[in-house]
Amino acid sequence: NAGVTQTPKFRILKIGQSMTLQCTQDMNHNYMYWYRQDPGMGLKLIYYSVGAGITDKGEVPNGYNVSRSTTEDFPLRLELAAPSQTSVYFCASSYPDRGRETQYFGPGTRLLVL
Amino acid sequence: AQKITQTQPGMFVQEKEAVTLDCTYDTSDPSYGLFWYKQPSSGEMIFLIYQGSYDQQNATEGRYSLNFQKARKSANLVISASQLGDSAMYFCAMRELLYNFNKFYFGSGTKLNVKP
Repeated sequence: NAGVTQTPKFRILKIGQSMTLQCTQDMNHNYMYWYRQDPGMGLKLIYYSVGAGITDKGEVPNGYNVSRSTTEDFPLRLELAAPSQTSVYFCASSYPDRGRETQYFGPGTRLLVL
Repeated sequence: AQKITQTQPGMFVQEKEAVTLDCTYDTSDPSYGLFWYKQPSSGEMIFLIYQGSYDQQNATEGRYSLNFQKARKSANLVISASQLGDSAMYFCAMRELLYNFNKFYFGSGTKLNVKP
């Protein structure tokens, strides 16, 4: 199993550009999450999904969109990049186990908006 | 209000000694789970240990144990016999199991440095 994979590893965007961060998991997990981690800070939840076709907002959803057409993929879309979106983005997945489940994280995508 | 508070931005510990990383949480949900993750300098997030709010005993996983004090709303991570490879950022996280089931809340982290 590859686990959770994310592409790209690093990207520089200009203000106003758009991009999609890709996330794929091969563990057949129902739950998937997108987090951002600003320098020296913890993770903040952007969006999450409990299964294909079902997504919902997290703590900091503004400026982002997601879709979940398959169990494996959960892309994150930035429509109009802003400097405030400079961050490291982590995708994670988990399988529900009455709340005890472990989240498996991808390696992260480092995004710089200039 | 912060859901998870980690008051120690950085800590030093001598190799082979034990160290406690503090975590306090805030929730009105009667059922919740508490997690600790390790983030080495390479950036990946590694799950360490889990404690459920109704678990009677403190969780242990090898050299990691969780000192759970429910009345004080604290969930401190204890690492015994520190190793150089323990140098990393450590994050405490919480999941509310009734009110916001699908959301995880993370603290700001503690950077642990293990000295030889």
